[in-house]
Formats: sequence, structure tokens, C-alpha cells
Amino acid sequence: QLQLQESGPGMMNPSETLSLTCSVSGGSTRSSSYYWGWIRQSPGKGLEWIGSIYYTWDTYYNPSLKSRVTMSVDTSKNQFSLKLSSVTAADTAVYYCATHSQYYDAFHIWGQGTMVTVSS
Amino acid sequence: DIQMTQSPSTLAASVGDRVTITCRASQTITSWLAWYQQKPGKAPKLLIYKASSLDSGVPSRFSGSGSGTEFTLTISSLQPDDFATYYCQQYDSFPTFGGGTKVEI
Repeated sequence: QLQLQESGPGMMNPSETLSLTCSVSGGSTRSSSYYWGWIRQSPGKGLEWIGSIYYTWDTYYNPSLKSRVTMSVDTSKNQFSLKLSSVTAADTAVYYCATHSQYYDAFHIWGQGTMVTVSS
Repeated sequence: DIQMTQSPSTLAASVGDRVTITCRASQTITSWLAWYQQKPGKAPKLLIYKASSLDSGVPSRFSGSGSGTEFTLTISSLQPDDFATYYCQQYDSFPTFGGGTKVEI
């Protein structure tokens, strides 16, 4: 059974770069069966898809965040990662990693989420 | 962006009630729609994909219907475990979510 687990900094200062990692168990980031995505949830903006990556390193991002987002896959550690630059208080949210099976798709499996607070 | 609008935003119901939640898309999405259930402090859980396909392990009291721009999630007989917030999500283009419907007692 595929399982996902996010890890991240918890608290951050404005203008810093957020780095999050999602560890995958019960499956492989080398698999052609999965796409790996990031979604966040804040009281103000609800659920928002950030972007997704395939094992080939093909990435695609939400246009509203594209200029600040970088995603990568580390197959040796069976992890994938998100970097979000120049964070502000508006980036305060619970960040989830999730998996899907097609380019645009429903998100079948989610991690438990990690809270990120941006505050000076 | 495709905007997703859910109604109602809050729904008061009792155990045993038939509950219907509506989701409207700002443009046609054929059947590329999913429904999720979320409980406080937990991640969303996929219930239905492709508008009407039940995900594995989801009770049959949940059903989805619709196509084009209008969709519904129905719970045929509300159970105590079903009090939660429900979200729709389109994936005809880059994914976007509805604002949620909280089902409360």
C-alpha cells in the first residue's frame, strides 16, 4: 500500500525559500504508474494544486505559482521535493503531497500534511 | 482557470438523511470531476473520480453523477462517520477545487 509522508521546517521568515520533502513507501518514485504532486490548503484560499512531477522529471505547475516553484525527484532516496521561493504570509498553509495516475487526474493517495507558517 | 462552485457551503442534516451536494464548473469539464471527504486535522480522502466512479473501499451509500458543468454528490443515508467537509475537484485542465461543503448535525 503506497504511503506518503511530508517533512518540512514548520516556521519560516518572509522572503526565505520553503523546502519540503515527501518520502514514499510501498511504491517507487521510479515507477511509470505514478505522478507526484503537491497541494496546499489555507483558510483564505482553500485547496490549491501547486504542481506535479513525473519520474522522467517532467514538471508542470499552477500558473499562479510557476515563477516561484521548483519540484524534483530523488529516486535514490525514494523522495520528491518542493521548493517555493520568496515566501510571504500568504504562503502559510498545510502542504500535502499526493499521487495521481495521469497528467491531470484525481489525487488518489495523500500524505498527512505538514503545517508551514510564514511569520517575522 | 476553471472555477468550481459548491453549494451549499454548510448543510445541517441528521443520521439517516439523504444528502445532496452540488458542484458547478465555470466551463465544461466533461466527466473529469472528483469528490473528496475531509475530517478536521486530516488529509482529504478520495471518494469518487470521473464523476461517478467509486474509489476502492468507499461505501456504496456515496454516489456521484453529472457531466459537463453540473455535478452532484449524494449520500443515500447519512451515517455518523459522514459528518465532514466535502470538496469537488476538476481535472479537465490544471486541477482546481471547490470551496467545500461542511455537513454538520
